Amino acid sequence: AQSVAQPEDQVNVAEGNPLTVKCTYSVSGNPYLFWYVQYPNRGLQFLLKYITGDNLVKGSYGFEAEFNKSQTSFHLKKPSALVSDSALYFCAVRGNTNAGKSTFGDGTTLTVKP
Amino acid sequence: DAGITQSPRHKVTETGTPVTLRCHQTENHRYMYWYRQDPGHGLRLIHYSYGVKDTDKGEVSDGYSVSRSKTEDFLLTLESATSSQTSVYFCAIRDVGGVRNEQFFGPGTRLTVL
Repeated sequence: AQSVAQPEDQVNVAEGNPLTVKCTYSVSGNPYLFWYVQYPNRGLQFLLKYITGDNLVKGSYGFEAEFNKSQTSFHLKKPSALVSDSALYFCAVRGNTNAGKSTFGDGTTLTVKP
Repeated sequence: DAGITQSPRHKVTETGTPVTLRCHQTENHRYMYWYRQDPGHGLRLIHYSYGVKDTDKGEVSDGYSVSRSKTEDFLLTLESATSSQTSVYFCAIRDVGGVRNEQFFGPGTRLTVL
């Protein structure tokens, strides 16, 4: 069975500071890893993904994530946070042997204060 | 934005009544998914479809059924709604092939069962 853990329910950072939202996963085979963002009363929006290749992937709105196979982690990062980054962030995993099912973490609420 | 609509967007119903939620896509994507989102549980997969008339269960399928008679439509039915099915329901779609493996989400349906 595949699983995702987002150990922090809430992350608070000051505007302009770097941010990290943590994600660890468990899956059989090689993982497909994703980050999504959800703004209030909206559906999820895709941010970035790791499929293969370079361990550091860059995505929308200046976000990036680093795939670490030995630590089974895929932490989301941004060098300088904006107030507008405040939202709910979800990490998701899908095994490359799985026909179509992704597993999502419980989500982390990011609050960026001015 | 991916062409995904959900209807209705809001619904209030009573315990024991049947409810059908509709997801409609204009992207001709093969995979379609139904999730529910509840506080503290992230997104949980109810059912998914990998083609017309091809569906499979997710992790929380009890009390739900689905149908997909056309590529563009994926229906979620609660045969006899219960208060535990009060939730926000999201539909998602995914293409196959190439490197585009992320999901695209609809705007959600807020269902309240009294």
